[in-house]
Amino acid sequence: EVQLVQSGAEVKKPGESLKISCKGSGYSFTSYWIGWVRQMPGKGLEWMGIIYPGDSDTRYSPSFQGQVTISADKSISTAYLQWSSLKASDTAMYYCARHHTVTTGRFDPWGQGTLVTVSS
Amino acid sequence: SYVLTQPPSVSVAPGQTARITCGGNNIGSKSVHWYQQKPGQAPVLVVYDDSDRPSGIPERFSGSNSGNTATLTISRVEAGDEADYYCQVWDSSSDPHVVFGGGTKLTVL
Repeated sequence: EVQLVQSGAEVKKPGESLKISCKGSGYSFTSYWIGWVRQMPGKGLEWMGIIYPGDSDTRYSPSFQGQVTISADKSISTAYLQWSSLKASDTAMYYCARHHTVTTGRFDPWGQGTLVTVSS
Repeated sequence: SYVLTQPPSVSVAPGQTARITCGGNNIGSKSVHWYQQKPGQAPVLVVYDDSDRPSGIPERFSGSNSGNTATLTISRVEAGDEADYYCQVWDSSSDPHVVFGGGTKLTVL
């Protein structure tokens, strides 16, 4: 079974750094892009970026370029999303999902989500 | 940048047919994917490439795409179909990017 399992919920203070993870299993992790999607409380889905774990080629949404860093460690089939200095506005649910980039770009499957709360 | 427009809400009685639209400039030339998100859960792909269904998705879910509008159709709506639905496209041009619609809340009356 293809599965993406994300790290647990985080509570952080403004200005702190954070790295959340997404571990893939059940398929060749280096053969598919992984995407990250933000969902702020009560809002819709926003694409943040995608990474190809095979060579770490990364593409960012212009809205998130410079705000976050996407990375991957193919040796442990894990992708990451990190912040160097969190803001209250980063409070959201973050999902990773396998992106079928070479075909028509659907996301399937999705991780269970990681809730990030930033509050002083 | 490319924009996908969905109605904020659609209401339908059980057993009836729900149609959720996704508008975009010449969207008929793109492949459209649809996701269902129930409260407190991650999104789930219900239709991809305009009209294909992943395994495990009921045949009641279908899709179409032409001109400037893509449509997700849910036949014989059940209470369990109440959820938010999002359309999505992938633009693989020189500046590749993903676009999501704003989402539609389906209410089963």
